[in-house]
Amino acid sequence: RKEVEQDPGPFNVPEGATVAFNCTYSNSASQSFFWYRQDCRKEPKLLMSVYSSGNEDGRFTAQLNRASQYISLLIRDSKLSDSATYLCVVNNNQGGKLIFGQGTELSVKP
Amino acid sequence: DTAVSQTPKYLVTQMGNDKSIKCEQNLGHDTMYWYKQDSKKFLKIMFSYNNKELIINETVPNRFSPKSPDKAHLNLHINSLELGDSAVYFCASSQDLAGHNEQFFGPGTRLTVL
Repeated sequence: RKEVEQDPGPFNVPEGATVAFNCTYSNSASQSFFWYRQDCRKEPKLLMSVYSSGNEDGRFTAQLNRASQYISLLIRDSKLSDSATYLCVVNNNQGGKLIFGQGTELSVKP
Repeated sequence: DTAVSQTPKYLVTQMGNDKSIKCEQNLGHDTMYWYKQDSKKFLKIMFSYNNKELIINETVPNRFSPKSPDKAHLNLHINSLELGDSAVYFCASSQDLAGHNEQFFGPGTRLTVL
């Protein structure tokens, strides 16, 4: 079983749609959780950290359920510029190592 | 202005050659990393260094040798390149080893081994 699992997609949605990505992780001792975004042929960049209480940044909402070992990302009112691969990432406090899911590809169409 | 820079951006070479990739960060961070992204886009850590000291070596073949001359630089030397080494290699840095820290990635080096 992979340490971090995501639905690879692709998700093809129209502009203005709401889209949700899910992710599960296998290590119950995991400490820190993130969503990174990677544009085609570019480096990953932090989108947002994920906290147990849930957190929101504009159109983006992230949730963490430690009991189910489940992380989600909700994007409201999708824009064309949201088209990218969204990476679910976990840090188990082992030498700074980030453990990446395989990424979920999102394509927002006009 | 670039926070984490890598050179070269593209590297095309023959099997059996030796090559190096350089990485520099100007963020004043203590910790640097090398990640490999394979053809299936899966990103996996290779090494981490903290203040020039090796912290993680993620069962990488010993043909790969990282070197950190100072905490702002982490270079990757690869001996006897193989076809399976073709990938994008990303350097990254973070403030320190604390798990909640954001990691900042360089633009990547696309290595093609022929």
